[in-house]
Amino acid sequence: GAGVSQSPSNKVTEKGKDVELRCDPISGHTALYWYRQSLGQGLEFLIYFQGNSAPDKSGLPSDRFSAERTGGSVSTLTIQRTQQEDSAVYLCASSSGGWRDGANVLTFGAGSRLTVL
Amino acid sequence: AQTVTQSQPEMSVQEAETVTLSCTYDTSESNYYLFWYKQPPSRQMILVIRQEAYKQQNATENRFSVNFQKAAKSFSLKISDSQLGDTAMYFCAFTGANSKLTFGKGITLSVRP
Repeated sequence: GAGVSQSPSNKVTEKGKDVELRCDPISGHTALYWYRQSLGQGLEFLIYFQGNSAPDKSGLPSDRFSAERTGGSVSTLTIQRTQQEDSAVYLCASSSGGWRDGANVLTFGAGSRLTVL
Repeated sequence: AQTVTQSQPEMSVQEAETVTLSCTYDTSESNYYLFWYKQPPSRQMILVIRQEAYKQQNATENRFSVNFQKAAKSFSLKISDSQLGDTAMYFCAFTGANSKLTFGKGITLSVRP
């Protein structure tokens, strides 16, 4: 597609429920990132996929968080047993390559705002 | 580990004036990229400008320019002729060999008419 698409744009859920957030990157982009942005805060790195390499999961805050990327395209971020502190905007971004080839400019989606009651 | 520091939480500038946003970073890498991203109220992050560490020349994009001081690990953004549409949150960011983009906490810029 023309841009990075994320769904849902807003999600309200009850504490303890599982949620899935979807990201559809720009076609042909090999790198995909998930970030979390809490109210008024900077962006916290969660996970990074690059081509067929093993993902960098070093930013996932707990084992309740997981992400997968199917067929090198669409990615799903899953949060199990949601807690109130999970409330944030979850941003997805993609790029056409890594930093070595200078193709490291990220294009961001509009984000999914998650509210856990 | 890399860190990015934006010590000013917010700034305000009169329309048509010039404003400078500060950013410092820390890294042991010799080659890396630095970025400024803009996030307007719509939430969409937009790239403003990019600087490659091995390039001496400061990057410029129309009204936006940077002052990159590699030895001091400083990377400030200058916005000339500020416009109302420049009102947004601005994030400084760093990426090195691990390809992860590390962001500062951001600064809220308000442009007054």
